[in-house]
Amino acid sequence: GAGVSQSPSNKVTEKGKDVELRCDPISGHTALYWYRQSLGQGLEFLIYFQGNSAPDKSGLPSDRFSAERTGGSVSTLTIQRTQQEDSAVYLCASSLGRERTSYEQYFGPGTRLTVT
Amino acid sequence: AQKITQTQPGMFVQEKEAVTLDCTYDTSDQSYGLFWYKQPSSGEMIFLIYQGSYDEQNATEGRYSLNFQKARKSANLVISASQLGDSAMYFCAMREGQGNNDMRFGAGTRLTVKP
Repeated sequence: GAGVSQSPSNKVTEKGKDVELRCDPISGHTALYWYRQSLGQGLEFLIYFQGNSAPDKSGLPSDRFSAERTGGSVSTLTIQRTQQEDSAVYLCASSLGRERTSYEQYFGPGTRLTVT
Repeated sequence: AQKITQTQPGMFVQEKEAVTLDCTYDTSDQSYGLFWYKQPSSGEMIFLIYQGSYDEQNATEGRYSLNFQKARKSANLVISASQLGDSAMYFCAMREGQGNNDMRFGAGTRLTVKP
């Protein structure tokens, strides 16, 4: 079946502009995660959605970052007034849920954001 | 506090040799899961292996095995018979049994397999 998809694959934007990144999780996966990965670095957790529960936003670096998940499926990560330090690859992942620690995450290909 | 620690920024191994990538973790939960992911230069994250905290035996998946030492809170990845295609970044991750169940990742280890 289809995996996690993300769009766009690449985004170049000018400093100060807003951007929206989209994630389509695997059908039936109730958990959805956003991570940020700077060049050569590890994954920085941003936000986590589980079903209809309130999202865990503890990883969002500033109030310029927000995310929503409509209908328990597609998610959009929005970055307002982008800064150059926002340049990174933004990875989305989904998993079956939270009931078991064994549920691995399936990752999308990422969106490479470059802020000029 | 850092939940997952990978102390080796880079590792080299000769083709066909075995290599161990270190990972230590910190949790007060009794129930948790440990994961290893591979990220080749193409950027995708590939799930390799999982170890549950209650699993009595070390997990194995083909050439990958996880050396799980619960008392030491370590979950090292062992790759046997290294291949050139194993050159990649490797990330250790943990999901705790309590709380929101988000997965935390280590900083990664870049493995280079030499011909």
